[in-house]
Amino acid sequence: AQTIHQWPVAEIKAVGSPLSLGCTIKGKSSPNLYWYWQATGGTLQQLFYSITVGQVESVVQLNLSASRPKDDQFILSTEKLLLSHSGFYLCAWSLGTVGNTLYFGEGSRLIVV
Amino acid sequence: DAKTTQPDSMESTEGETVHLPCSHATISGNEYIYWYRQVPLQGPEYVTHGLQQNTTNSMAFLAIASDRKSSTLILPHVSLRDAAVYHCILRRTGGNNKLTFGQGTVLSVIP
Repeated sequence: AQTIHQWPVAEIKAVGSPLSLGCTIKGKSSPNLYWYWQATGGTLQQLFYSITVGQVESVVQLNLSASRPKDDQFILSTEKLLLSHSGFYLCAWSLGTVGNTLYFGEGSRLIVV
Repeated sequence: DAKTTQPDSMESTEGETVHLPCSHATISGNEYIYWYRQVPLQGPEYVTHGLQQNTTNSMAFLAIASDRKSSTLILPHVSLRDAAVYHCILRRTGGNNKLTFGQGTVLSVIP
């Protein structure tokens, strides 16, 4: 069975500090991967998606970047955090882009102070 | 993606069958109706989806109107674990598989 693991579960970071959030998918080869973000009290927004290793498309600009170094790994990062980056970050996967269901991870909670 | 309209909140008692409505009057022919549910500080959980025909799985029954302008998610014999925000989302085939989440319906379940 496929599993999706996100890390860290939660983090408190200072404004201006770097950030790296990770996501690993096991049990599926060549999945499509996605990053979503939810501000506190807000709705989920798609940030990035990737259909293959080394290829990432940006959907919303939030001074964040994403990379896919391996088939089963998706990384979200920034060199300088802003207060507005606080929220809940979710990684998701699907088998393909056409009519395929997205399955979400448990999320990483980020508080920027 | 076309917009959906859901009630802000609904309440039910354990063991009852809950009908969660969703209106999507401007749905396009190539848009699927997806339902997810989410509890605080957890990722959304896939519930079901459909295009035109009613669908059923272990979690729920999805009833889609013949004109596809509305749908109803039916949860039989709800338990406390079914308390969540339920999102009705339209998604067209192709593209970046983007799901546009709204505020959804907050389902409260009373013991």
